[in-house]
Amino acid sequence: AQSVAQPEDQVNVAEGNPLTVKCTYSVSGNPYLFWYVQYPNRGLQFLLKYITGDNLVKGSYGFEAEFNKSQTSFHLKKPSALVSDSALYFCAASSNDYKLSFGAGTTVTVRA
Amino acid sequence: EAGVVQSPRYKIIEKKQPVAFWCNPISGHNTLYWYLQNLGQGPELLIRYENEEAVDDSQLPKDRFSAERLKGVDSTLKIQPAELGDSAVYLCASSLVAGVTNTGELFFGEGSRLTVL
Repeated sequence: AQSVAQPEDQVNVAEGNPLTVKCTYSVSGNPYLFWYVQYPNRGLQFLLKYITGDNLVKGSYGFEAEFNKSQTSFHLKKPSALVSDSALYFCAASSNDYKLSFGAGTTVTVRA
Repeated sequence: EAGVVQSPRYKIIEKKQPVAFWCNPISGHNTLYWYLQNLGQGPELLIRYENEEAVDDSQLPKDRFSAERLKGVDSTLKIQPAELGDSAVYLCASSLVAGVTNTGELFFGEGSRLTVL
């Protein structure tokens, strides 16, 4: 069985400060890891993925994520947050090619 | 390019009534998914189609839920009869080819929010 945990329901940061959204996973074998973002009244949008290769993955809108196998983590980061980054963020993992397990989501609020 | 289109966006029904949700995936996307998203939780897969074939429906409650994807394009998800616990958002997603590793992303619609009274 595979599972994803996002330990923080909410993250609040000031604009211009670094943003981190935490994610840990439990997957048998090599994990496929993803981040999606959901803006209000919009569908989920893909941000980035880790399949293999470099542990630091860069994605859309200046986001990046670091795969840490020993800690089974895949935290999402942005060096300087914007008010427009305020949204609901989902981490997802898979042990095979198509069945994603999503975390419960983390609401990010960036204050001006 | 048009995204994944779902309708209706909102639906309120009495328990024991039937309800149907429709999804039009991105043109050319062979793989279509239906997900269930309960309040405060992440999406959970209900069914996955490759063209017109349901290749994974293991999470679909078949006593009351059914789905079809005629001609391998549009899809319909039906609940009959609806129960109070079915209140949730039903998400449709599509991808160009099978497997998240190939495309790296699913394209999601805005969802259909169901309220069962």
